[in-house]
Amino acid sequence: QKEVEQNSGPLSVPEGAIASLNCTYSDRVSQSFFWYRQYSGKSPELIMSIYSNGDKEDGRFTAQLNKASQYVSLLIRDSQPSDSATYLCAVRAGDTGGFKTIFGAGTRLFVKA
Amino acid sequence: IAGITQAPTSQILAAGRRMTLRCTQDMRHNAMYWYRQDLGLGLRLIHYSNTAGTTGKGEVPDGYSVSRANTDDFPLTLASAVPSQTSVYFCASSASRGGADTQYFGPGTRLTVL
Repeated sequence: QKEVEQNSGPLSVPEGAIASLNCTYSDRVSQSFFWYRQYSGKSPELIMSIYSNGDKEDGRFTAQLNKASQYVSLLIRDSQPSDSATYLCAVRAGDTGGFKTIFGAGTRLFVKA
Repeated sequence: IAGITQAPTSQILAAGRRMTLRCTQDMRHNAMYWYRQDLGLGLRLIHYSNTAGTTGKGEVPDGYSVSRANTDDFPLTLASAVPSQTSVYFCASSASRGGADTQYFGPGTRLTVL
C-alpha cells in the first residue's frame, strides 16, 4: 500500500460545479496535511494546509481532515477552467527522528467551460 | 532574486557523465529539499537538509549526493548519470525544520539521460 494515495483521475467537472478531491494516508501518527496545485509544466504551489480534524475554508477551497479514517479531502466550489491542474496531497509523517513529507501521485482535474 | 532558482532549466546528458543541478534560495529558509517527479509516481524525496552543514537521505537517494555549505545553496550531484535518472527535478525550501510549514518549490530542471 502506498503511504499517500490519490485517485489519478482525470476528474472532469463542469464550470461552476464542486470538485471533490480525496486522499488517504497510511501513517496514523501523521500531523500535517497539505494540498498543492501544479499546472502542467510548472512547479507545485501550496493552496491549503490543515492540521486538525474538521474543515478549513479559504475562499473557494475547503480542506477536510478526518484522522480517525485517515483521509483528507479538498473541495473546490464554483470550479473555474483556471482550476484545471494536478492536485497533490502531501502528508508529513509523525516524528521519527527525521523529516519526512510524502506526496501522493496527484489527481488531474479538468474544469470544462 | 525572489524565491528559489534552479539551473539549468533543462539538460540532455550522456550516460556516465557527471552533472550538478544548482539550487539557490534567498528566503533564508533553514530547510531545503530535492525531489524528482516521474509520471504516475508523484514527487519523491531524494535528499534533504534541515540546516546548513547537515544533510539527510530521502526515499530515493541512490546515485545522488548533496552538500549544504551555506544557507542559500543546495546543489544536487549525479556522479555517473544513468537513463533511469531521467526526470524532472524540483528543489524546495521551508522556513523551519520538519516541513510543518509551507514548502516553496523552484521552477524545476528537466533532465534527460541518454
